[in-house]
Amino acid sequence: SQQGEEDPQALSIQEGENATMNCSYKTSINNLQWYRQNSGRGLVHLILIRSNEREKHSGRLRVTLDTSKKSSSLLITASRAADTASYFCATVIQGAQKLVFGQGTRLTINP
Amino acid sequence: EADIYQTPRYLVIGTGKKITLECSQTMGHDKMYWYQQDPGMELHLIHYSYGVNSTEKGDLSSESTVSRIRTEHFPLTLESARPSHTSQYLCASGASQNTGELFFGEGSRLTVL
Repeated sequence: SQQGEEDPQALSIQEGENATMNCSYKTSINNLQWYRQNSGRGLVHLILIRSNEREKHSGRLRVTLDTSKKSSSLLITASRAADTASYFCATVIQGAQKLVFGQGTRLTINP
Repeated sequence: EADIYQTPRYLVIGTGKKITLECSQTMGHDKMYWYQQDPGMELHLIHYSYGVNSTEKGDLSSESTVSRIRTEHFPLTLESARPSHTSQYLCASGASQNTGELFFGEGSRLTVL
């Protein structure tokens, strides 16, 4: 893959459970972002975490960043059927002005 | 809600045809991008622009070309489509201050027979 790899590639859980997705990257970054993509649609920005931040919250979303391990995680709490989608991490490499996307995690929430 | 629009949403054409995928945004963003995405796969950057008359090739080699004559408009053209061009093409834009949030269109799904 390019800069990022996501784990797991697919995740299926029951409604109400928490979902955790992980992203690893290779080079130093300015920031890391998470996006959601519903099937056949464009991507929607969820949250951005800067390289000097360690944790960030937005509603039911919690993102962590560990620059020493070059990894990030996205936690969705109290999942809902509407959370079913693919989730991508994207990194902005230092010195560049481009977003590089990971492979994505396909999340399925079972009612 | 993002003000970025792509047309057509779906296109089925024969080999050898010339096609143009349109992308327009009303947010005044300087930065615009084209990504190519096969179903269930990662996004690959194929073209980007930092402003009018600025275009650059992305990380994935593509036979397509782009132009940026107006800030709001970033069309992508394939002079002679082939079955290998079958894919989804996603347009995005972002503000110029720093590389933060990108706003995506709904995508153009191209099928070349």
